[in-house]
Amino acid sequence: GAVVSQHPSWVICKSGTSVKIECRSLDFQATTMFWYRQFPKQSLMLMATSNEGSKATYEQGVEKDKFLINHASLTLSTLTVTSAHPEDSSFYICSAMRAYSGSSYEQYFGPGTRLTVT
Amino acid sequence: KNQVEQSPQSLIILEGKNCTLQCNYTVSPFSNLRWYKQDTGRGPVSLTIMTFSENTKSNGRYTATLDADTKQSSLHITASQLSDSASYICVVSGASGTYKYIFGTGTRLKVLA
Repeated sequence: GAVVSQHPSWVICKSGTSVKIECRSLDFQATTMFWYRQFPKQSLMLMATSNEGSKATYEQGVEKDKFLINHASLTLSTLTVTSAHPEDSSFYICSAMRAYSGSSYEQYFGPGTRLTVT
Repeated sequence: KNQVEQSPQSLIILEGKNCTLQCNYTVSPFSNLRWYKQDTGRGPVSLTIMTFSENTKSNGRYTATLDADTKQSSLHITASQLSDSASYICVVSGASGTYKYIFGTGTRLKVLA
């Protein structure tokens, strides 16, 4: 199968601190990973596209200096929420893209990380 | 604008009953349509994947249909179980080379005993 893990599964931090979330593809290499944010009772909202070895591409309205993304290897991408505020509290989900023969591809989603900023 | 709309927004059914969820999209050009199940506090899990040339795809008690002409899809759940309680998300991907997924608004299903 194609398994994607996230760590931690939940985290509580104080306002003003930074928190790092890891996303790993366990059994395949992913040159591209995605970071999503999900508010209660809403669908996933794409924050940024993480490309191995290059800068992430952020969606409109997402502050790149606040949400730092690093994709240093083919199996690991990290999202760091800097100077966290209570409004950053949310459910963060990553996905890793796996390419197949031809031009087909599939995103495999991690289990999510619940961030609560107090 | 590329959009994916789902209906109903929420649904409550009794265990053992069938239900059908709807998805309308305006994504063009269109490549694939996926249905995901997302349990509360978990990441989405794929149920079915269909290309524009496929009309139906089944996965156990889940059957998805696709009408690429009208840009509509449905997910039919047969003999519902309590464990089917979750959000169901319709996701459309555009033409080859565009890796982003366009997510639907989701349908929250609650199955009652």
